[in-house]
Amino acid sequence: DVKVTQSSRYLVKRTGEKVFLECVQDMDHENMFWYRQDPGLGLRLIYFSYDVKMKEKGDIPEGYSVSREKKERFSLILESASTNQTSMYLCVTGPRGRSIRPRENIQYFGAGTRLSVL
Amino acid sequence: RKEVEQDPGPFNVPEGATVAFNCTYSNSASQSFFWYRQDCRKEPKLLMSVYSSGNEDGRFTAQLNRASQYISLLIRDSKLSDSATYLCVGDNAGNNRKLIWGLGTSLAVNP
Repeated sequence: DVKVTQSSRYLVKRTGEKVFLECVQDMDHENMFWYRQDPGLGLRLIYFSYDVKMKEKGDIPEGYSVSREKKERFSLILESASTNQTSMYLCVTGPRGRSIRPRENIQYFGAGTRLSVL
Repeated sequence: RKEVEQDPGPFNVPEGATVAFNCTYSNSASQSFFWYRQDCRKEPKLLMSVYSSGNEDGRFTAQLNRASQYISLLIRDSKLSDSATYLCVGDNAGNNRKLIWGLGTSLAVNP
């Protein structure tokens, strides 16, 4: 059974605080992703990583950074939290995805972190 | 044009109805497609993969039409518990196979 664990389900932070969101997976997946999800906007990719110490910007990286020091752990950092970063944050993991069989490219979600920045 | 497009709905159907969702994608090189289900305030969960030949899982049938670049999901004999948002997903055909997500279609099954 795949396990993708996000460190917190709910977080309340103040504007200007540095915020760390942690994600750990036990599937030995190469790919890990951070999304945020907002009503009407769907899932938007912030950053992703396809290997240890490798990272690539997604569609909305501004205001965020990431760290992947170990294969199983991918951290999202809000350097100075702002109210427009109030959102649901979802960590996703998946295999490298070179198979043509869809079943081998499935991605798995953590339970999400609801972050409120006041 | 969005890379993966879905009708946001909401679809309101009575119990027992058959309902179909369509989704179009723009990248003809995409290989993998999925339907995910998301309940209110929860994370998306895989409902089913979509194969070229079409595939069925109980009351759910998924179809892929590569020529017209659309994916469909058919739900037969709708249950109240089917009420959720259904997300259509395709990959970006790149080496790292990022998934490209639709915005979701909202379904409400009414008694």
